[in-house]
Amino acid sequence: GNSVTQMEGPVTLSEEAFLTINCTYTATGYPSLFWYVQYPGEGLQLLLKATKADDKGSNKGFEATYRKETTSFHLEKGSVQVSDSAVYFCARFDYNQGGKLIFGQGTELSVKP
Amino acid sequence: EAGVTQSPTHLIKTRGQQVTLRCSPISGHTSVYWYQQALGLGLQFLLWYDEGEERNRGNFPPRFSGRQFPNYSSELNVNALELEDSALYLCASSLTGQGATEAFFGQGTRLTVV
Repeated sequence: GNSVTQMEGPVTLSEEAFLTINCTYTATGYPSLFWYVQYPGEGLQLLLKATKADDKGSNKGFEATYRKETTSFHLEKGSVQVSDSAVYFCARFDYNQGGKLIFGQGTELSVKP
Repeated sequence: EAGVTQSPTHLIKTRGQQVTLRCSPISGHTSVYWYQQALGLGLQFLLWYDEGEERNRGNFPPRFSGRQFPNYSSELNVNALELEDSALYLCASSLTGQGATEAFFGQGTRLTVV
């Protein structure tokens, strides 16, 4: 079936470190791919998206490239800040495959000063 | 433009009671999704409404139900509340059909069952 797998957290980094959070998806259909972020006590915010192979989504210094050959959508940021501490969710969405967002399990990021 | 709005933001209910949560989608969005996020767990898909019809349902018991109104707003009803229903309930909306490339979330309703 359709699924999304993220690297397990929590991930703890020092400020200005490089961040990678791995995400892979099952290759059924032609999904759109997303990263959502959830700050403590809040709902989900869309961070970035890519709707087709080789698209690169970017926002707030975060980037992710839709890699069809490796079925991956890894999240990267060159220099994290304390304010990036949150839970990050990778997700796929395919209207023709049940029309629902399928989320990974979430990766908690903690950035220390 | 207003985003997805949910009400109430917090509520406390007693086991066995019933609760109704409300969601207003972004203007122009006709699809509404409901998710449950229990403490320490990921996001579990509950329901998808599109153009007033229930299109898909997650693996939840029948006491979780809902509906979508002609103005595309939606309600989630939970009957016979159990302690494990305590969670953040998130609503999202999107365009429908091939225009449905992303979903936007509300801030959620935090339900505590005691």
